[in-house]
Amino acid sequence: QVQLVQSGSELKKPGASVKVSCKASGYTFTNYAITWVRQAPGQGLEWMGWINTNTGDPTYAQGLTGQFVFSLDTSVSTAYLQISNLKAEDTAVYYCTRGPHSWGQGTLVTVSS
Amino acid sequence: DIQMTQSPSTLSASVGDRVTITCRASRSISSWLAWYQQKPGKAPKLLIYEASTLETGVPSRFSGSESGTEFTLTISSLQPEDSATYYCQQYNSYSGTFGKGTKLEIK
Repeated sequence: QVQLVQSGSELKKPGASVKVSCKASGYTFTNYAITWVRQAPGQGLEWMGWINTNTGDPTYAQGLTGQFVFSLDTSVSTAYLQISNLKAEDTAVYYCTRGPHSWGQGTLVTVSS
Repeated sequence: DIQMTQSPSTLSASVGDRVTITCRASRSISSWLAWYQQKPGKAPKLLIYEASTLETGVPSRFSGSESGTEFTLTISSLQPEDSATYYCQQYNSYSGTFGKGTKLEIK
């Protein structure tokens, strides 16, 4: 069965960086894109973009700043979301998804001094 | 970018009621529309994909329909466990805009 397992919660100080991982299993990793979605506390879902797991090419949502970088390690069927120069407003749960059907459990990133 | 306008933003209904939530796309998305249910502290759960296909394991009281760029989620007979926030999402053309959500409360 398809599974996406994300890394655990993170507490970071402003200005720091964080790398969230999303490990896929149960299917051929390079056959399906991985999408990233974020949800700030008490807010709705925001589509951040996707990465082509075959070519490694990322597509970012309009308005998403250069703080956010999608990457892959296909040897371990894992996608990554790196966020640099963290700000308090980056506090959110970050989800990886494979299409609409399969979602990771979410990773809470908290940015606080 | 495709915009998704979801309404209403909040909804209060009684057990047994028929409930509808609507999403309108700013342009054609064919049938690439999903509906999710999200409960506090949980990841969204897929209910409907391709506008009207019920995800495996989802109760049949949930249904989806489309008319042009307007999409509807219907709960035929509301149950207490349906209290949640519902989101639509278009997943056409390598983008994936969400509606702003509908918070459904059981009276």
